[in-house]
Amino acid sequence: KNEVEQSPQNLTAQEGEFITINCSYSVGISALHWLQQHPGGGIVSLFMLSSGKKKHGRLIATINIQEKHSSLHITASHPRDSAVYICAVRGRGGGTSYGKLTFGQGTILTVHP
Amino acid sequence: GAGVSQSPRYKVAKRGQDVALRCDPISGHVSLFWYQQALGQGPEFLTYFQNEAQLDKSGLPSDRFFAERPEGSVSTLKIQRTQQEDSAVYLCASSYRVTGELFFGEGSRLTVL
Repeated sequence: KNEVEQSPQNLTAQEGEFITINCSYSVGISALHWLQQHPGGGIVSLFMLSSGKKKHGRLIATINIQEKHSSLHITASHPRDSAVYICAVRGRGGGTSYGKLTFGQGTILTVHP
Repeated sequence: GAGVSQSPRYKVAKRGQDVALRCDPISGHVSLFWYQQALGQGPEFLTYFQNEAQLDKSGLPSDRFFAERPEGSVSTLKIQRTQQEDSAVYLCASSYRVTGELFFGEGSRLTVL
């Protein structure tokens, strides 16, 4: 079992729909990142959070540390939101392991007009 | 610079050739990370620098992989005697501090024939 599991792996939506992508992890973490990757490889950091909830525009990220679970929500989805969304966690091991991120496999989102 | 710059963007190598991939992080960013992303997979950690010190190289898949950051800014990932399984996108990311937001480059796509 991977340390970071995302669901669903693939998600298709119609423009305007509310979207939720889930991330579960099995290790203690110091922070969780949500990343967006468009075709061609470029990755953009959307959120970094260690507790609670963050909001940026139509994107909302929540994390429940006790349940080891995070969700990324997109409200009023748009075709330009089509991308791969990746969850990554930073360990709590201290020392040199602090710099290592463990990534989920990604969720491929396609939003149709 | 304005963002993390990687070069070359695309590299085709014959099996057995040596390759060098360059990462120019955002000026002032102390932490630098290298990741390997195989097709259809999430990125996997390779190595991490804090300034010029390589603090974690546990993700390097073999002794054919070598990374350096001699002056604490530009980093080079070198792969000797490339094999077909080395074909992947190599991503570089930097952050102001190890626990900070990550900024990714566009990646270097390596194809080994």
